[in-house]
Amino acid sequence: GEDVEQSLFLSVREGDSSVINCTYTDSSSTYLYWYKQEPGAGLQLLTYIFSNMDMKQDQRLTVLLNKKDKHLSLRIADTQTGDSAIYFCAERAGNTGKLIFGQGTTLQVKP
Amino acid sequence: DAGVIQSPRHEVTEMGQEVTLRCKPISGHDYLFWYRQTMMRGLELLIYFNNNVPIDDSGMPEDRFSAKMPNASFSTLKIQPSEPRDSAVYFCASSFYQGSYNEQFFGPGTRLTVL
Repeated sequence: GEDVEQSLFLSVREGDSSVINCTYTDSSSTYLYWYKQEPGAGLQLLTYIFSNMDMKQDQRLTVLLNKKDKHLSLRIADTQTGDSAIYFCAERAGNTGKLIFGQGTTLQVKP
Repeated sequence: DAGVIQSPRHEVTEMGQEVTLRCKPISGHDYLFWYRQTMMRGLELLIYFNNNVPIDDSGMPEDRFSAKMPNASFSTLKIQPSEPRDSAVYFCASSFYQGSYNEQFFGPGTRLTVL
């Protein structure tokens, strides 16, 4: 079945790079996503990657996709205290609007 | 557009009472999702609708939970009777499926506390 796994917690120092990892099981996933949830708010799309891509870069964010290993990562360069949040990995379930979310990784950025 | 609108933002009720959560999706979206988030279980998909029709309600925990979408601009999630273990943040999200990436837009959530 469909499943998405993430580590639960990551702590970094301000200015360092953060790497959040995710594994998924559905090899037919066409789109994979990273969502960000700030305290007291709903999830918000951060970035996404199409399955025929290996990498996508957007300012401080770099997404790497390894389809062979079904592994997705999000790298945040020059991490700031404002990046402290919960980050969710998600895959699209077939040709539907449904997304399968991981359990979320809490990123703590220390000054 | 104002985004996904949920009401109330906070609800405190006593065990055994009926609770109704409301959601107005973004206009033009054809998918609507109800999620529940707790520290213990993380983010859980409860039910989702496509064009107002329930597609998958396998995440609804018990018969005490029911959801309706009478039209494209309104949905409700009802818990009757409520129990303390139903305390959670309930999110509504909507999206427009267009064959490519489809972003789910989340509402701000309803924080439910059942005493």
